[in-house]
Amino acid sequence: EAGVAQSPRYKIIEKRQSVAFWCNPISGHATLYWYQQILGQGPKLLIQFQNNGVVDDSQLPKDRFSAERLKGVDSTLKIQPAKLEDSAVYLCASSLDLEWGYTFGSGTRLTVV
Amino acid sequence: KQEVTQIPAALSVPEGENLVLNCSFTDSAIYNLQWFRQDPGKGLTSLLLIQSSQREQTSGRLNASLDKSSGRSTLYIAASQPGDSATYLCAAYPGNTPLVFGKGTRLSVIA
Repeated sequence: EAGVAQSPRYKIIEKRQSVAFWCNPISGHATLYWYQQILGQGPKLLIQFQNNGVVDDSQLPKDRFSAERLKGVDSTLKIQPAKLEDSAVYLCASSLDLEWGYTFGSGTRLTVV
Repeated sequence: KQEVTQIPAALSVPEGENLVLNCSFTDSAIYNLQWFRQDPGKGLTSLLLIQSSQREQTSGRLNASLDKSSGRSTLYIAASQPGDSATYLCAAYPGNTPLVFGKGTRLSVIA
């Protein structure tokens, strides 16, 4: 089966600019997650979707971050305006159910200068 | 709140050595535990998934164990190779909230 697809792979932007990331989960996976991984740290959850509804966005900085999952499939994560501390790898993951664990995409490395 | 700790933070071993990576979690009420590998600048590759009812899982030279009562999991790598050099992440799944990750162990296998 195809894996979790993410794009772009790399992005460099100036602070205060906006940026968007795209994720296409594994077909049939109802649950989709966005994680932020700062260099040297473990991934931290930003938002969890079940189909096209938000389950958990308690750690999403809503003043600058937004995410949506249209039709319960693809998802986009947007940052506007970006700050230097947003430099990180943004990981998308999907899961079928509790039994099968998570499958992660290759991630998007964001550098804010 | 579940917290996951990984020790050591970094490890360097000569090729061929057997090694153990440690992971501890604060809340034993987990649904499963997953070990991942991450190469520099890349995404996460799932290595092993241990359900809460299981004690261990094996895949090739990798063996992961789970002791819920003590809040510990170990990842054993046999006959290490330079290609095993990567960061290894442990993640606990509480079931009612998403995966909680440790900071990882950065492994270097020296030829």
